[in-house]
Amino acid sequence: GENVEQHPSTLSVQEGDSAVIKCTYSDSASNYFPWYKQELGKRPQLIIDIRSNVGEKKDQRIAVTLNKTAKHFSLHITETQPEDSAVYFCAASTDGQNFVFGPGTRLSVLP
Amino acid sequence: GAGVSQSPRYKVAKRGQDVALRCDPISGHVSLFWYQQALGQGPEFLTYFQNEAQLDKSGLPSDRFFAERPEGSVSTLKIQRTQQEDSAVYLCASSYDQGAPGRKAFFGQGTRLTVV
Repeated sequence: GENVEQHPSTLSVQEGDSAVIKCTYSDSASNYFPWYKQELGKRPQLIIDIRSNVGEKKDQRIAVTLNKTAKHFSLHITETQPEDSAVYFCAASTDGQNFVFGPGTRLSVLP
Repeated sequence: GAGVSQSPRYKVAKRGQDVALRCDPISGHVSLFWYQQALGQGPEFLTYFQNEAQLDKSGLPSDRFFAERPEGSVSTLKIQRTQQEDSAVYLCASSYDQGAPGRKAFFGQGTRLTVV
């Protein structure tokens, strides 16, 4: 089955700096890769996603890149703000079925 | 309309007690997923429905766990004879369809189960 790894497990950045979180997956059949942000005690919220036929997608300060050959994808947050502090999860899915999540990255943006 | 709704938000159960957790998906969403999230970890897949059909239950940890979605809308996750290791947040998610990439899944706020 699918296995998703995520690095780093914790990340601290200064406000205004960029943050990058990387994930790898094992199943070449995976074709949809969402990213979720989870604040303490709250539900995971979808922040950006990418399909396997696209190499990069951007939404304001957030971007995701995908390398299908290497089976890895990354989340990039630019101009970080304190409210970006949360746990971020990547996930991989085949055709919107079973989503397999990474273990999460705790991002702290220091003012 | 409203997002995915789960109830109760919190449940404390004595070891050995049966519990039932409810999920109301977004109206019209065909796919429904249950996940278990232990403290400090990512969501772990439990089971998946397309309409009323349970297409994948490979993540259910034991036969004490049972899920149903009889009318293809509301779903219930039942845990029999709860054990302390069942303590976790149980998350429900729904998406409009499956069988195509890019079907966004939206989560409920979860039910925090504590077994004492």
